[in-house]
Amino acid sequence: EAAVTQSPRNKVAVTGGKVTLSCNQTNNHNNMYWYRQDTGHGLRLIHYSYGAGSTEKGDIPDGYKASRPSQENFSLILELATPSQTSVYFCASGDVTGGPSSYEQYFGPGTRLTVL
Amino acid sequence: SQLAEENPWALSVHEGESVTVNCSYKTSITALQWYRQKSGEGPAQLILIRSNEREKRNGRLRATLDTSSQSSSLSITATRCEDTAVYFCATGANTGKLTFGHGTILRVHP
Repeated sequence: EAAVTQSPRNKVAVTGGKVTLSCNQTNNHNNMYWYRQDTGHGLRLIHYSYGAGSTEKGDIPDGYKASRPSQENFSLILELATPSQTSVYFCASGDVTGGPSSYEQYFGPGTRLTVL
Repeated sequence: SQLAEENPWALSVHEGESVTVNCSYKTSITALQWYRQKSGEGPAQLILIRSNEREKRNGRLRATLDTSSQSSSLSITATRCEDTAVYFCATGANTGKLTFGHGTILRVHP
């Protein structure tokens, strides 16, 4: 019973189309994160959230929006997808209320997005 | 520029050998984490070492931290084929945001 799930696992989109990537967590964590992973760049933070209704910009937010309608769900939205957004996207959850020892993030399995 | 960086980019060893991945970081930290990512999976935490700790062990894994030189290392002893993965160091603040390096690719051959 995976604690962080993502859907879809694979997606092919057309340039200019709208793409929504979904994430669900059962860890009851306050914080959720969206990263993209590209060869040579590691994981880069796109958006994150401190709780339902909250979204914050990460390090590379341009071209992306995020939505956190509930504690469990966090979506990443590409309103006008471009080929440069072809990547693997990871969602994670975490909670820092316990101090540094609680800084672990729990990742989903990833979504491979191809924009043609 | 990267706030955390692993080196080397890649390592190749045979089963049973030991291996060390190094990490340098550029910010003041309260904790540093090591993650492992196997092919087709998301990263998973291996070890978290707090800024007031110098060493942390988890089975065959040993992490060290030197805050004066802003560096950390992750050593794996008696490597196994299933240790083949990408290894990341990550630094974070109490906001929960983590900064990952680009990762070190480790291949363990039979």
